[in-house]
Amino acid sequence: ETGVTQTPRHLVMGMTNKKSLKCEQHLGHNAMYWYKQSAKKPLELMFVYNFKEQTENNSVPSRFSPECPNSSHLFLHLHTLQPEDSALYLCASSHARLAGYEQYFGPGTRLTVT
Amino acid sequence: QQQVKQSPQSLIVQKGGISIINCAYENTAFDYFPWYQQFPGKGPALLIAIRPDVSEKKEGRFTISFNKSAKQFSLHIMDSQPGDSATYFCAAKGSSSNTGKLIFGQGTTLQVKP
Repeated sequence: ETGVTQTPRHLVMGMTNKKSLKCEQHLGHNAMYWYKQSAKKPLELMFVYNFKEQTENNSVPSRFSPECPNSSHLFLHLHTLQPEDSALYLCASSHARLAGYEQYFGPGTRLTVT
Repeated sequence: QQQVKQSPQSLIVQKGGISIINCAYENTAFDYFPWYQQFPGKGPALLIAIRPDVSEKKEGRFTISFNKSAKQFSLHIMDSQPGDSATYFCAAKGSSSNTGKLIFGQGTTLQVKP
């Protein structure tokens, strides 16, 4: 595997389900990001982790819970979601000292909340 | 609220033509302006970027023009090709941000007709 991988690629879940999104980067980076991409809206930064420590939480509802066990893996735990949470969730990584200067994105997980 | 406004929302160009996408920002504390390219089913990828001390940057057929006084920057794609058909996002990074937070525009869907 190369670059940034995300699983699953597609997820349909009910509002009462609990699911998790997984991201793995194979680039030796030490910063990881979660973004939400909705149609006709700018990419929204959700969380940033530098060296496994959360450094940014962009006022994300608590029904989204991130976890970064090491610099290569990032999870987004989902529970009690709303239909408006349906979107493409993108993971990205970068070198922490170059944070913001070049971020490498995964292909995303297309989430549908029914 | 920091914002980056991008236009047009969609663009159709004939093969060989010039594609122009514009972005405007409000916060003068931005210090880095990247453009990302996203193909269907893929995550965004860094295309080209510029710092505010430079008025123009060219890489192959892609050029960023930057107007600091007007707080505007644009992407020009010369000799546009069908393979350039994608969604393009402009972004800006705050000079005080060390967490990698990027503010993205809404995106422009470019279609290059053969």
